[in-house]
Amino acid sequence: SQQGEEDPQALSIQEGENATMNCSYKTSINNLQWYRQNSGRGLVHLILIRSNEREKHSGRLRVTLDTSKKSSSLLITASRAADTASYFCARGAGNNRKLIWGLGTSLAVNP
Amino acid sequence: DTEVTQTPKHLVMGMTNKKSLKCEQHMGHRAMYWYKQKAKKPPELMFVYSYEKLSINESVPSRFSPECPNSSLLNLHLHALQPEDSALYLCASSQMGARTEAFFGQGTRLTVV
Repeated sequence: SQQGEEDPQALSIQEGENATMNCSYKTSINNLQWYRQNSGRGLVHLILIRSNEREKHSGRLRVTLDTSKKSSSLLITASRAADTASYFCARGAGNNRKLIWGLGTSLAVNP
Repeated sequence: DTEVTQTPKHLVMGMTNKKSLKCEQHMGHRAMYWYKQKAKKPPELMFVYSYEKLSINESVPSRFSPECPNSSLLNLHLHALQPEDSALYLCASSQMGARTEAFFGQGTRLTVV
């Protein structure tokens, strides 16, 4: 399968705690992208990190990329109940005409 | 305007019906996508349009027929679907394929009865 792997598949934490999700892939990449999906709705783009970047921040989100290990992680700091969602990583494929998606991490943040 | 608009939001159709899903974006994006998503699964790519031409068809059954009438619109025509085709259908667009972020619509929840 070309799909990336994400772990954990499910994560349950308390509000205020940090959440870390990991994504691994098998081929070289142009970039790696992270998306959030609230239940039954469309996906929202969070961060795109290019292959020559090692870390990127956006608000409470931090993404790291280790191309030598072919892995990326998404850290959400000081989590809130509103962060409850599924999180997916995705990378380009097919000459960058399409995205290959990871299986996703389901995050539950308990008030 | 960074929105991708999909209509309808919900659709229930019989196996002999013909219906269409519609998608619109006004961001000037040249790549548009149809995805199918089952519960608790990642999106599954169906079709990619690039510059209004079909670029990728991921071996989708012919009962799904995409159409790109112009650079802002993408349709998915449905005919003789099966109950297992019930899913969330997502449209997305991007400026430069997978080199840039994708913007997604809210999806059409399709139920085939």
